[in-house]
Amino acid sequence: KAGVTQTPRYLIKTRGQQVTLSCSPISGHRSVSWYQQTPGQGLQFLFEYFSETQRNKGNFPGRFSGRQFSNSRSEMNVSTLELGDSALYLCASTEDSAYNEQFFGPGTRLTVL
Amino acid sequence: GDSVTQMEGPVTLSEEAFLTINCTYTATGYPSLFWYVQYPGEGLQLLLKATKADDKGSNKGFEATYRKETTSFHLEKGSVQVSDSAVYFCALSDRNQGGKLIFGQGTELSVKP
Repeated sequence: KAGVTQTPRYLIKTRGQQVTLSCSPISGHRSVSWYQQTPGQGLQFLFEYFSETQRNKGNFPGRFSGRQFSNSRSEMNVSTLELGDSALYLCASTEDSAYNEQFFGPGTRLTVL
Repeated sequence: GDSVTQMEGPVTLSEEAFLTINCTYTATGYPSLFWYVQYPGEGLQLLLKATKADDKGSNKGFEATYRKETTSFHLEKGSVQVSDSAVYFCALSDRNQGGKLIFGQGTELSVKP
């Protein structure tokens, strides 16, 4: 099976812009989670989608949003970008259940100037 | 809330040395515990997992035992190699929170020949 893919791999934006990141999970996986990784805050959970519904949400402002499509592909959107949004955004997929292994994609490196 | 604490790095070892990376957790329920590894420029890969107390996860010479009495999940390897140089993350997930993973801050391991 192909692994989790994320596009684009690198992105440079300026403050105030918005950005959309895409994640394609492993075939058959219905759960997609998003994480933000920064040197200062480490790995933080953004949200999880399962069968097109947001099942869980982390402590991020409303500028961060996401959605999942019927084929389980997911997108996350960040509006009104701030310098502090510069990070590696990781997507992970799993079949379902908290005890299943989550498979991570390579991430999208977002730089906000 | 649930949390994970792991020893700070960086940890520098010589090849064939013994490795221990400490990890302790706080959880209200009965979490599953994981160790993930991140190589430079890549996403996270699951190294090993344990889903209940006294379970031992093992993979590629790495081991960790789920200790409920000490709320710990320390990572060990008897003889490290240069190729083990990476950042290691301890994480937990709670069935009641779906696919959400809570990560420790990560420990950077550098193995010198």
